[in-house]
Amino acid sequence: DSGVTQTPKHLITATGQRVTLRCSPRSGDLSVYWYQQSLDQGLQFLIQYYNGEERAKGNILERFSAQQFPDLHSELNLSSLELGDSALYFCASSATINSEQYFGPGTRLTVT
Amino acid sequence: GNSVTQMEGPVTLSEEAFLTINCTYTATGYPSLFWYVQYPGEGLQLLLKATKADDKGSNKGFEATYRKETTSFHLEKGSVQVSDSAVYFCALSDPSEDSSYKLIFGSGTRLLVRP
Repeated sequence: DSGVTQTPKHLITATGQRVTLRCSPRSGDLSVYWYQQSLDQGLQFLIQYYNGEERAKGNILERFSAQQFPDLHSELNLSSLELGDSALYFCASSATINSEQYFGPGTRLTVT
Repeated sequence: GNSVTQMEGPVTLSEEAFLTINCTYTATGYPSLFWYVQYPGEGLQLLLKATKADDKGSNKGFEATYRKETTSFHLEKGSVQVSDSAVYFCALSDPSEDSSYKLIFGSGTRLLVRP
């Protein structure tokens, strides 16, 4: 158990819908990363937050957004969902900007 | 841009066989290198890491050496067990591109160890 929690574990929704994925980092970790794992694209970095501020952006679609709250948990919002958004979404946390990342168990999103 | 290339799988071995999974990288700066393992239905776990050239990372019998001259970080284990069956990801982190320590992953190599 890495200490990073993600909810929900599974999510099934229809095209065009909006969902929110939640991540609670390890106690004391200030940085949160979001990654997407799909069959065609592999594991890709989406976005990073550090102590509530956006730190870096990867290949994140405009339909996707994220934030990190004062209690350091983070949410990833996915809207206007398409079939191709079906994937495993991982959250990782690290104590500081450049320390080791610990991954959560992931949220499996299925868009039908 | 930065990238990681690792050997295609699946790799199928008998128990106690020697394992090598090849990984090469392209980086702008001086990256840190990692191997992560993903067991079925689970998240990624850090297996080992190396932060500079000639460093050797090791954990649970697995080893990898950071080779700057060949831009490689091959994963090895002398004697695999059935419990090592998983997907292995090579990754790098190079903040010289955008000041981010994000991980860039290879495509993953599935290892299947038979009794």
